[in-house]
Amino acid sequence: KQEVTQIPAALSVPEGENLVLNCSFTDSAIYNLQWFRQDPGKGLTSLLLIQSSQREQTSGRLNASLDKSSGRSTLYIAASQPGDSATYLCAVMSRNYGQNFVFGPGTRLSVLP
Amino acid sequence: EPEVTQTPSHQVTQMGQEVILRCVPISNHLYFYWYRQILGQKVEFLVSFYNNEISEKSEIFDDQFSVERPDGSNFTLKIRSTKLEDSAMYFCASRTSAFKGETQYFGPGTRLLVL
Repeated sequence: KQEVTQIPAALSVPEGENLVLNCSFTDSAIYNLQWFRQDPGKGLTSLLLIQSSQREQTSGRLNASLDKSSGRSTLYIAASQPGDSATYLCAVMSRNYGQNFVFGPGTRLSVLP
Repeated sequence: EPEVTQTPSHQVTQMGQEVILRCVPISNHLYFYWYRQILGQKVEFLVSFYNNEISEKSEIFDDQFSVERPDGSNFTLKIRSTKLEDSAMYFCASRTSAFKGETQYFGPGTRLLVL
């Protein structure tokens, strides 16, 4: 069974800092990994999708990396802003466990002005 | 940009009542999903649907749940007799092709509260 974990569970940083969020998964046989943002009580906003053959993806101030062999992904946020405050979810689509996403519990980020 | 839509955004119901949650996937998409998120917990897969039948379902998706694509645009999740523990945010998602590396596009969710 695929398990996805995320550390830290919560993070509070001052505005302007660069930060890294971590995601780990137990089965490295994946099709892809995706990072989502979720604001309180809201839906899921897709941030970055990394295919299993890729090492990283970038969008603006966001960079996601994937090390499939070690079962890890990181989301790097540069020059954080208060508007980045949200919960960040990691999800993987496994080769061995169907065609649905398995989500991590999320990291709750607060960026203080 | 095309997007997945869901109605209603919020629903309050009494325990034991039937509810139907509605989703309109992106028009050329062929694979449809329901996920749920109990408050403070992980997003969990419920069911996937392709070619008018269930492809996969999780342990959560018991006989109280059913899905249907009643016409060419809507995709529905029915809970026959709601329980308190069905209170959650329900997300619909869709994707276009059989390529499993493709992402799923998520709707904004329906928040269901069972009293």
